[in-house]
Amino acid sequence: KQEVTQIPAALSVPEGENLVLNCSFTDSAIYNLQWFRQDPGKGLTSLLLIQSSQREQTSGRLNASLDKSSGRSTLYIAASQPGDSATYLCALGGNTPLVFGKGTRLSVIA
Amino acid sequence: DTGVSQDPRHKITKRGQNVTFRCDPISEHNRLYWYRQTLGQGPEFLTYFQNEAQLEKSRLLSDRFSAERPKGSFSTLEIQRTEQGDSAMYLCASGGQGREQYFGPGTRLTVT
Repeated sequence: KQEVTQIPAALSVPEGENLVLNCSFTDSAIYNLQWFRQDPGKGLTSLLLIQSSQREQTSGRLNASLDKSSGRSTLYIAASQPGDSATYLCALGGNTPLVFGKGTRLSVIA
Repeated sequence: DTGVSQDPRHKITKRGQNVTFRCDPISEHNRLYWYRQTLGQGPEFLTYFQNEAQLEKSRLLSDRFSAERPKGSFSTLEIQRTEQGDSAMYLCASGGQGREQYFGPGTRLTVT
C-alpha cells in the first residue's frame, strides 16, 4: 500500500526566501506525481505534474523534482511571496486514484 | 473549459437526514473521482468512474454511501442516514486515464 509523507507539516518563512517542500513515498512503482495548492476552505489547484519517466517540471517560480529510486519528490519555490501562503499537497497516482500526503502548511511573512 | 463544478458548496444537515451532492466534470474527461477530506488531512479516495462504469470503491465508502454517473457526464454522491462523522469536505476531480486530475471547489458538509 502506497504511503505518502510530507515534511515539515508547517513552515514559516520571510518574504523573498527560497524554500523546499519535501514529499516521500514508499512504493516507487508510480505512474505520476502531482503537486497541489489548497487555500483554506477551498478545493485543490494543480501546480505541477511529473510523469514517472521525468525527473523534474518547472512552472514560473516553481520547480518540482522526482527521484523514484529514493522515493522522494521536492517542490522548490523561488523568491517566496505572501500570496504563496497555502497548504501544499503531493499526491501519487495517475492511472489509479491519487494517494495524498497530509500537506505542508506554508506561511510567507511580509 | 469551465473547470470542475460542485453543488452545493455548503450543506448543513441534521443527523439521520439524507444528502446528495453533484459534480460536473470537465466535459472531455472520461474519469471522475470522489474524495473526502477532513481537517488537517489530505484527501482520501472514495470511488471513481470511467464513463458511466464505477471501477473502484474504497472501504471508506460504507453502505450508506452511493455514487452514480448515469450518462457518463455528471455524477452524484448520496449519503443516507448521515452521522456526525460524515462531516467533511467532499471533493470531486476529473481527468483522462493516467492523466492530470483537476479538482472542483468541494462541498463542505456539516452534520449537526
